[in-house]
Amino acid sequence: NAGVMQNPRHLVRRRGQEARLRCSPMKGHSHVYWYRQLPEEGLKFMVYLQKENIIDESGMPKERFSAEFPKEGPSILRIQQVVRGDSAAYFCASSPMDRGGEPQHFGDGTRLSIL
Amino acid sequence: GDSVTQMEGPVTLSEEAFLTINCTYTATGYPSLFWYVQYPGEGLQLLLKATKADDKGSNKGFEATYRKETTSFHLEKGSVQVSDSAVYFCASGGSGYSTLTFGKGTMLLVSP
Repeated sequence: NAGVMQNPRHLVRRRGQEARLRCSPMKGHSHVYWYRQLPEEGLKFMVYLQKENIIDESGMPKERFSAEFPKEGPSILRIQQVVRGDSAAYFCASSPMDRGGEPQHFGDGTRLSIL
Repeated sequence: GDSVTQMEGPVTLSEEAFLTINCTYTATGYPSLFWYVQYPGEGLQLLLKATKADDKGSNKGFEATYRKETTSFHLEKGSVQVSDSAVYFCASGGSGYSTLTFGKGTMLLVSP
C-alpha cells in the first residue's frame, strides 16, 4: 500500500497530556500538509512542510502546537497540554510537488479525543 | 483570503435521481478546483479536479465545470446510487502553492 499512512487512527488523551500524530507520505512525495476537521465543519489548513523545513504554518495555533518533517521518518504533529477543544480529526496529505494543480492525497486521519 | 462556499446538507435523494451540489469560490489569481469525497470513518479521496477556466473534471459519473465568470464549480451526477452516500467537499488550491481551502462539506444521503 503506497498511500498516505497516518497513525494512530484513534487517540485518547486526558487534558494536560501530549498528543503525537504521525504521517508517512506517499512514496515519492516530499510535501506534507496537515489539516484539522472539527465536528460539522470542513477541513482547515494548519501547516505545510517539506523535508526539514516548515513552509507555511499560518494555520497553526500559536501555542501548544508544533510540526516537523525530519530528513528520516514520518512527519509529526505534536500537541502539548491538550484541551477539550483539541478534539477533532487530523488529516495529513502529501503531494509530489508544490504546484496548485497537483492533487493532494489524504490519509485516513487520526481522531483525537480529549477526556 | 480565499474561501469556498458550498450548499448545506444533508441532501436527500432517491436512487437514480439527479444530483447537483453547488460550490462557489473566492480567490486571488486562478486557483485549481477540486471535489473530494469522504466516506464514514475514512479520509478524503479526490473525486475530480479542474485546473483552468472551462475545464470539465469528471469521474465515476460525476462532473463539474470550472466557471470563471460565475466563480463556480458545481458538482453534478445524472443518476445517483446508494453507494454515493458520503460527504462531498469542494476545495480550491492557490495558484502560488498547494494548500487547499475547503468548503464545509455537503452530506449526501441516497435511499433505495
